Amino acid sequence: QVQLQQSGAELVKPGSSVKISCKASGYTFTSYDMHWIKQQPGNGLEWIGWIYPGNGNTKYNQKFNGKATLTADKSSSTAYMQLSSLTSEDSAVYFCARVDYPGPLDYWGQGVMVTVSS
Amino acid sequence: DVQMTQSPYNLAASPGESVSINCKASKSISKYLAWYQQKPGKANKLLIYDGSTLQSGIPSRFSGSGSGTDFTLTIRSLEPEDFGLYYCQQHNEYPWTFGGGTKLELK
Repeated sequence: QVQLQQSGAELVKPGSSVKISCKASGYTFTSYDMHWIKQQPGNGLEWIGWIYPGNGNTKYNQKFNGKATLTADKSSSTAYMQLSSLTSEDSAVYFCARVDYPGPLDYWGQGVMVTVSS
Repeated sequence: DVQMTQSPYNLAASPGESVSINCKASKSISKYLAWYQQKPGKANKLLIYDGSTLQSGIPSRFSGSGSGTDFTLTIRSLEPEDFGLYYCQQHNEYPWTFGGGTKLELK
């Protein structure tokens, strides 16, 4: 069965970077887009962007240009998102989710809580 | 960006009742609207996509309708496991956007 296993919670300092992972199993990793979504405490969901692991193509929500960088490692079926120049506004739960283009987000990871605090 | 307005914000109901959640897009998104369920400790679950297509494995008590700008998620004969948060999301154009969520609570 399709599973997306995300890395553990992160506590990071303002101004630093963090890289979170999403390990896929149960399907052909290189054949589906991987999307990333942000959820701040008590807030709704924000779409960050996607990566197609088959060729590394990416697309970002303009709001996250320069903030998020999406990569993928085909050998380990793992997608990554690096967040840079962290501020308190980046404290949130971050989800990865698979897309069978052009469909919706059909499988989600469990989410990673990133807390930015000194 | 397409703004998605979801209503109501909160909804209280009892098992066995039927409820509806509405989602309005700021411009036409054709049929490309999805509904998700979010519950603590569980991965978010896709319920409906393309406005009315039931995702595989989702009970038939869930249904979706609408096109263009106005969409509705209906849950018939609520089961105890249906209580949680529900979000709509347009997958017609980038950036994909979500509604603000509806909390379905036990009355």
